Amino acid sequence: DAGVIQSPRHEVTEMGQEVTLRCKPISGHNSLFWYRQTMMRGLELLIYFNNNVPIDDSGMPEDRFSAKMPNASFSTLKIQPSEPRDSAVYFCASSSQGSIYGYTFGSGTRLTVV
Amino acid sequence: SQQGEEDPQALSIQEGENATMNCSYKTSINNLQWYRQNSGRGLVHLILIRSNEREKHSGRLRVTLDTSKKSSSLLITASRAADTASYFCATEITSNTGKLIFGQGTTLQVKP
Repeated sequence: DAGVIQSPRHEVTEMGQEVTLRCKPISGHNSLFWYRQTMMRGLELLIYFNNNVPIDDSGMPEDRFSAKMPNASFSTLKIQPSEPRDSAVYFCASSSQGSIYGYTFGSGTRLTVV
Repeated sequence: SQQGEEDPQALSIQEGENATMNCSYKTSINNLQWYRQNSGRGLVHLILIRSNEREKHSGRLRVTLDTSKKSSSLLITASRAADTASYFCATEITSNTGKLIFGQGTTLQVKP
């Protein structure tokens, strides 16, 4: 397995533009998580899905953020409109519920909003 | 708010020495996990310890868990320059959801 695949690796966009981040979890994993990492706030859980169903989106900063998981092999995180304070590294991770092997993280998307 | 707090925030040691990092948390947990993050990369899972376990080993890693004190420690023995990274503890606070809350991390530098 190629691991958790995120795209793009880097994204630079202008304030007000829509940004879509993509994630392909590991096949067979039934949980998917979106995290945001900044120097100031560390790793923040934005939203997570179990069996493609959103379970907890309390970490989503505001209505500008939305996430979907239309099937077991794909998820998106969308920011519309983007703002400079959204600049961060966004990680997707997947896991099998109850696994002793924890999460498998993707390499992240470094988002810069100018 | 963060569930876990790690201590120290930064640690610098010589190759061959042992490195100890501590993690404290606030609420009851199902398990506690440690992850490593190399600069510019994603996090890598190191070890998981369940709430009914007190100690676990994996290679040069030793993890302890004290649920009465709500704390855990990660010991890396005989450190190598390649161990230079940030180390995070993460707690699963609700059974059967797999939701992890991460601490702020300890940055470890191992000097050759």
